[in-house]
Parts: sequence; structure tokens; C-alpha cells
Amino acid sequence: DVKVTQSSRYLVKRTGEKVFLECVQDMDHENMFWYRQDPGLGLRLIYFSYDVKMKEKGDIPEGYSVSREKKERFSLILESASTNQTSMYLCASSQGIAGGLYNEQFFGPGTRLTVL
Amino acid sequence: GQQVMQIPQYQHVQEGEDFTTYCNSSTTLSNIQWYKQRPGGHPVFLIQLVKSGEVKKQKRLTFQFGEAKKNSSLHITATQTTDVGTYFCAGPMDSNYQLIWGAGTKLIIKP
Repeated sequence: DVKVTQSSRYLVKRTGEKVFLECVQDMDHENMFWYRQDPGLGLRLIYFSYDVKMKEKGDIPEGYSVSREKKERFSLILESASTNQTSMYLCASSQGIAGGLYNEQFFGPGTRLTVL
Repeated sequence: GQQVMQIPQYQHVQEGEDFTTYCNSSTTLSNIQWYKQRPGGHPVFLIQLVKSGEVKKQKRLTFQFGEAKKNSSLHITATQTTDVGTYFCAGPMDSNYQLIWGAGTKLIIKP
């Protein structure tokens, strides 16, 4: 079974702190994604990566950065946390495109971040 | 830009009643995926539809992809408490690296 793990289920930080959220997948997937999920807004893509050291901005990248130094690990960084970044953060991974078919995404359990 | 609209946002049903959620894309999609998120859980892939007019069934769940490949629906027959959760549709962006997600439909079973 594909497994996507996230470093914390719950995290409480203070405004201005630097926050690291880590995600690890064990299926050698090329693509990795960071989403945030807020009530009524569905899943919004923050950043994604389709290869090591490659990153692309999603819909809401402001206030975030990412790092992918190894294929299995994708980190989300909040340089200076703010209260409006309180949210559920979900990491996902997927295989690369094969035969023109887009592959399913496998999600981690999520990190509920509260910024005070 | 590309958008996927999903309705309704919520649906309250009595156990045993049917449930349907609809997705409409602003552009033609190469395929569409459906996910389910249980309360307190994370999205889990249910199915992918690829062909125009495709219909797939998983037990009490029926998935349809429109002829123009711009809309899709998920229908659950005779809902059970295990069906509770939020159902999302998602279609690939033209770039093919990311999915565009509908806002989800939350299925609530009335006691």
C-alpha cells in the first residue's frame, strides 16, 4: 500500500514563527503536492513538485515556500506564520503521467496547524 | 482560468434515500476523478472516468462522465451511515501536473 506520512497531526505555533511541515511518501512517486483545506473552500493547491529540486506555484503560494531535496520528501515552510495560515494542511503524491492518463493522488493524514 | 464547479455544497438525506452530486468544468477534461473524505480523515480516491459518456458502478455508487467531457455526477442509491463524508471531483489542468478540485459536497445523514 502507498503510504504518505506527515510529520505532525496537530501543531500550534505563534505568529512570526518559522514552521516546517514535512511529508514523506514510500512509493517512489514523481509528483508531490501541498494543499490547504478550509471549510467551504475545498482543497487549494499551495505548491507542487514533479521532480527532485523542481517546484511550481499552485493557486495560493503567498507566504509559503517548499523544498524537495529527495524524491520521497516534500517540505512546506511558513517563513513567518500568521493567524490566517491556521488551517488543515494536506500532502499528496502521485505517479507521473503514464499513457496520457493522469494518476490518482494519495494523501497523508493531514496536519492541523493553529497559529496563535 | 479553468474551474470545476460542484453542487450542492451540502445534502441532508434520511438513511435509505438517494444522494447525487454534480460537477461542471469550464473546459473539456481528459478525465475526471472522484474522492471521498470521511469526517476527520483525508481524501481517498474512488474512481477515474476517461471516456465520453462513461458510466461506472461501485456497488451502490454510480459515476457518470458527460458526453462532452465537461460534467460528471456521482449517485449513491439507498444511502447508509458509512456513506457520510465529503465527495470531491477533480480534473487535470491543461498542464497535466495538477488537479483542479471541486469544492466538495458534504453528505449528511439525518438521524
